Amino acid sequence: AQTVTQSQPEMSVQEAETVTLSCTYDTSENNYYLFWYKQPPSRQMILVIRQEAYKQQNATENRFSVNFQKAAKSFSLKISDSQLGDTAMYFCAFKGPQGGSEKLVFGKGTKLTVNP
Amino acid sequence: NAGVMQNPRHLVRRRGQEARLRCSPMKGHSHVYWYRQLPEEGLKFMVYLQKENIIDESGMPKERFSAEFPKEGPSILRIQQVVRGDSAAYFCASSPPRTGNSPLHFGNGTRLTVT
Repeated sequence: AQTVTQSQPEMSVQEAETVTLSCTYDTSENNYYLFWYKQPPSRQMILVIRQEAYKQQNATENRFSVNFQKAAKSFSLKISDSQLGDTAMYFCAFKGPQGGSEKLVFGKGTKLTVNP
Repeated sequence: NAGVMQNPRHLVRRRGQEARLRCSPMKGHSHVYWYRQLPEEGLKFMVYLQKENIIDESGMPKERFSAEFPKEGPSILRIQQVVRGDSAAYFCASSPPRTGNSPLHFGNGTRLTVT
């Protein structure tokens, strides 16, 4: 069974600085999908960024980028120029190959606080 | 374009009562997923349904929990004889049949409190 581990329960960063959130996963699959979701206090689950395992290029969405290391099974999220609105829980999630299980496996999350 | 709609937003039940949580998927989505989030935890998969069919219920507790997605109307997650340990946030998500790298679209969740 796939597992997702986020080793940092809490992190904090100063506004405008850069922070990196860690995520590792365990799978025997070769093709799969990885996601980072943000959950602010409103509880809504918001997709931040996604990565297909067959793509070597790291995904980027504005201030958010990932460092995907397939051999190491690592999928970290970098937030540049942190903003107060980035304060939230961040969850890393894994999904197996298309045609297999459609369910997402989530890590336990990292609580990020951006300080003014 | 309405997103995934869940209601109620908050639900309080006494031990032994039944809880019914509703989820209307996004327009055009035929597949629904239910996840549970315990305090200080990530979301845990419960069940995956398409209309009138349960595709994967590997995350559902064996007793007291059931889910349906009828031909007409919302998907329902039903918890019978609730206990304090059922207190959690329950999230619904929807998708078209094959997601690939497409993200699941989540509702805002229902927070169930069992007193």
